[in-house]
Amino acid sequence: AAGVIQSPRHLIKEKRETATLKCYPIPRHDTVYWYQQGPGQDPQFLISFYEKMQSDKGSIPDRFSAQQFSDYHSELNMSSLELGDSALYFCASSVAGVKNEQYFGPGTRLTVT
Amino acid sequence: AQTVTQSQPEMSVQEAETVTLSCTYDTSESDYYLFWYKQPPSRQMILVIRQEAYKQQNATENRFSVNFQKAAKSFSLKISDSQLGDAAMYFCAYRSANGNKLVFGAGTILRVKS
Repeated sequence: AAGVIQSPRHLIKEKRETATLKCYPIPRHDTVYWYQQGPGQDPQFLISFYEKMQSDKGSIPDRFSAQQFSDYHSELNMSSLELGDSALYFCASSVAGVKNEQYFGPGTRLTVT
Repeated sequence: AQTVTQSQPEMSVQEAETVTLSCTYDTSESDYYLFWYKQPPSRQMILVIRQEAYKQQNATENRFSVNFQKAAKSFSLKISDSQLGDAAMYFCAYRSANGNKLVFGAGTILRVKS
């Protein structure tokens, strides 16, 4: 079965640089979620989209922005990167209103040096 | 705001035996969903089991079952016949019926001894 695809899987950036993370949801899933998991921590919700509209917002820094495109894929844009942004970034997808199950991608490991 | 608490940072179980992981949560809502996710060393987040708050019957998925006590706001995970492949970090998670985000507990590391 098709799963959530995230690219790149690993990314190394320097402070103050910009990064773009991409997420391709499971086919026919219309909702995308972004989570950030710091070292030794639980995942923290950043933002979600349903049918290309932002549906919920969590602890996402102002330096980050995201959007969902017409093909339902989503991109998380991160600017002015800081050392503390080093983390595993998960994308998850679901079908709105059905079972409420979120299926996670393999994550993108971002390292800021 | 909802919170999820996992009071066991680490647990160990002998292969083929049974282990129970604890989870409590705090919410003022009556309709919500609870989940257990497994995160092995690969860091992939894998859904193990889900429970709807309006259902009294405890969810079961093969060797995995939950003990859902709504009044006590408790949601424990029982793993029967533990296998080496069960070794992972386990996260308990809450989601409001009207919300989008998952709220996770701090996680419990499960070690399986052969």
